[in-house]
Amino acid sequence: DQQVKQNSPSLSVQEGRISILNCDYTNSMFDYFLWYKKYPAEGPTFLISISSIKDKNEDGRFTVFLNKSAKHLSLHIVPSQPGDSAVYFCAASVMGTSYGKLTFGQGTILTVHP
Amino acid sequence: DTGVSQNPRHKITKRGQNVTFRCDPISEHNRLYWYRQTLGQGPEFLTYFQNEAQLEKSRLLSDRFSAERPKGSFSTLEIQRTEQGDSAMYLCASSPPGQGNSPLHFGNGTRLTVT
Repeated sequence: DQQVKQNSPSLSVQEGRISILNCDYTNSMFDYFLWYKKYPAEGPTFLISISSIKDKNEDGRFTVFLNKSAKHLSLHIVPSQPGDSAVYFCAASVMGTSYGKLTFGQGTILTVHP
Repeated sequence: DTGVSQNPRHKITKRGQNVTFRCDPISEHNRLYWYRQTLGQGPEFLTYFQNEAQLEKSRLLSDRFSAERPKGSFSTLEIQRTEQGDSAMYLCASSPPGQGNSPLHFGNGTRLTVT
């Protein structure tokens, strides 16, 4: 039962353009969402998060949008840079339970071409 | 900040052997987590410690798996009688106390290959 889904295994974008990564979830109990970035041979690193009381959170070039009615979130990267090339995972949790018990999507490989 | 440290980075073992992995979290972090990641999938939660207490275990953690955090600092994950299906990346993460939504800090993982 895949409660968090990233339906695009890969995304290719030109440097300077916008990257949009998408994520869908099925568990309506999820109320906190995160994006992690992973480079080869390294562990995932935290990028940005959003709680269900918001519909948008921005941090520099990264913006996460949450559409609760559609159970959908997206990560926008503007402008994209070659160093952004990595695997991006969305993750979700229920804040009332043990923090850190995250449910991850399968990941999307982002390639930013110079 | 030395980050979360995991050892070994790679482990190759024969089916049926026992293996043990170690995780050293960031020093002031009292919460420690183990995740497992297989090829093409995201990390899957295995277990969670707050200080030395193991508070939650996934059903993915079969009887062959055991995790400990005896003094509330480093943790070990042992797999007994390894099977080929145990081949995966085992990730450890930690987070600080008292900050409900503090994101997890992951180590670089231990890649297990069972032949």
